[in-house]
Amino acid sequence: DVKVTQSSRYLVKRTGEKVFLECVQDMDHENMFWYRQDPGLGLRLIYFSYDVKMKEKGDIPEGYSVSREKKERFSLILESASTNQTSMYLCASSLVIGEKLFFGSGTQLSVL
Amino acid sequence: DQQVKQNSPSLSVQEGRISILNCDYTNSMFDYFLWYKKYPAEGPTFLISISSIKDKNEDGRFTVFLNKSAKHLSLHIVPSQPGDSAVYFCAARNNNDMRFGAGTRLTVKP
Repeated sequence: DVKVTQSSRYLVKRTGEKVFLECVQDMDHENMFWYRQDPGLGLRLIYFSYDVKMKEKGDIPEGYSVSREKKERFSLILESASTNQTSMYLCASSLVIGEKLFFGSGTQLSVL
Repeated sequence: DQQVKQNSPSLSVQEGRISILNCDYTNSMFDYFLWYKKYPAEGPTFLISISSIKDKNEDGRFTVFLNKSAKHLSLHIVPSQPGDSAVYFCAARNNNDMRFGAGTRLTVKP
């Protein structure tokens, strides 16, 4: 089975801090994704990557950036954290884009 | 705009009975639909899917029904078990674009 590992389960940061969320997958998947999950809104796509050094904006990229220097690793960066970025962040990967996703356990980020 | 809607935030069912989770969508270009299950403190896991060329797909206790004319899909769990208690997300795909509903929290009471 695919394992998608997110480096932190819980994070508490202050407004204005730069925040790094790390994600690693072990099944050689080309495609990796960052979602955020908010009550009543479901999962919304922030960014995705279909290859090393390639990235595409999702529905809500504002305030975020990503980095994919190696195939197995996809990082989400909050350049200057704000309180409205308090959320559950989920990383996912897939073998084929548009097919089923394999998710990590999530990072609950609180920005104070 | 929410193209995929799960209008019931929660559902409570007795063990052994049928659970029916519903999902409506607005985009007729969606061609593939998936259900994910999410336990607390875990990421969503894939449960079952259906292509738009079918109207039913079954996997053990789980069956997904698709009604394209009504733009509606449903997930049936028979019989429901306490271990099925989780949040269920439906998702729909158009080309490479995957859209998720807000989720329905299912509670199966012993």
